[in-house]
Amino acid sequence: SQQGEEDPQALSIQEGENATMNCSYKTSINNLQWYRQNSGRGLVHLILIRSNEREKHSGRLRVTLDTSKKSSSLLITASRAADTASYFCATDMYSGGGADGLTFGKGTHLIIQP
Amino acid sequence: GAGVSQSPRYKVAKRGQDVALRCDPISGHVSLFWYQQALGQGPEFLTYFQNEAQLDKSGLPSDRFFAERPEGSVSTLKIQRTQQEDSAVYLCASSSRLAGGLGELFFGEGSRLTVL
Repeated sequence: SQQGEEDPQALSIQEGENATMNCSYKTSINNLQWYRQNSGRGLVHLILIRSNEREKHSGRLRVTLDTSKKSSSLLITASRAADTASYFCATDMYSGGGADGLTFGKGTHLIIQP
Repeated sequence: GAGVSQSPRYKVAKRGQDVALRCDPISGHVSLFWYQQALGQGPEFLTYFQNEAQLDKSGLPSDRFFAERPEGSVSTLKIQRTQQEDSAVYLCASSSRLAGGLGELFFGEGSRLTVL
């Protein structure tokens, strides 16, 4: 089963615009991560935010986390054509009862129009 | 190489055939995961190894799926008597950390299995 739900499922914007993707999850987490996947490739880690953090930046990426609403957002500023990819949020929910690693959402497919 | 390596990248099997997918994680990484990714979906957890021990196999969809990591490095995911619903990309990921304190997972490029 998939813990996270990304919104929107697909997003198409013009190069230079900002792209915002949202993720909601259901249970308590240790941390939340965002990954990127280019078509036909593996996933690449972008950023990790811990449950006691509210905002984190990395280059053109900004991630927020609201544990009270069980939601996170990923903002990509000044988008580029090379940002075209699928973006997944993943939660680490390990509580000692199992070891199912990260649980991924269904992803947001982002298309940047040149 | 420095990354996670998976082989084969592409596998076409006839229904009923057995397949074996290989994962070579980053050297020294204790945690190894297998995920299954259907077209247009996110990765779904299959199984987790801590070194050579398979600590969680709750995601394996049936007893036709079997995974091993006998020496705590290379892992093999075996699917017996393949069915069409097994068609997917199988992703391997490794981490230097243990489940319970996972940081970043490093993924391979995946093995795309098509069952005819």
